[in-house]
Amino acid sequence: DVKVTQSSRYLVKRTGEKVFLECVQDMDHENMFWYRQDPGLGLRLIYFSYDVKMKEKGDIPEGYSVSREKKERFSLILESASTNQTSMYLCATVPWAENSPLHFGNGTRLTVT
Amino acid sequence: SQQGEEDPQALSIQEGENATMNCSYKTSINNLQWYRQNSGRGLVHLILIRSNEREKHSGRLRVTLDTSKKSSSLLITASRAADTASYFCATEETSGSRLTFGEGTQLTVNP
Repeated sequence: DVKVTQSSRYLVKRTGEKVFLECVQDMDHENMFWYRQDPGLGLRLIYFSYDVKMKEKGDIPEGYSVSREKKERFSLILESASTNQTSMYLCATVPWAENSPLHFGNGTRLTVT
Repeated sequence: SQQGEEDPQALSIQEGENATMNCSYKTSINNLQWYRQNSGRGLVHLILIRSNEREKHSGRLRVTLDTSKKSSSLLITASRAADTASYFCATEETSGSRLTFGEGTQLTVNP
């Protein structure tokens, strides 16, 4: 079974702090994704990566950056956290094979005060 | 932008009843997928149906796809209290490999 591990389940940070959300997968999947989930808005794609050191903007990249130095790890960075970034953050992976489902981590609920 | 739209937004039924959720989308797709999310957890993949398929079964789940109407339905038969969760459809568009999720249907199964 694929395991996608997000480093924190709950995180509380202050406005202006730099925040790192880590995601590690153990199945050698090429593609990794960061989503945020908010009530009434569903899942929105922030960034994704299809290879080491490669990244692509999703639908809502503003205020975020990412890092993929190793295939198994995909980090989401909030350069200067703001209260409107309070949300549930979900990491997901998928191999290049056609018609493959996403595998999600358990999420990180981030609160910015 | 969200392509998939689920209907209804919320559904409450009694244990043993069937639950039907619908999803509509706008563009051409490679496949459509259904996911389940328990409260406060990540999403879990349930079933994937390809654009050239019309119906698929997995245990108590039945998914249909009508590409002419750009819609799909998820049927859960003989529901159980443990089926209480949010259910999301997601579409993989022919233009790319990204999945686009809908806002989900909150299903509550009362014992």
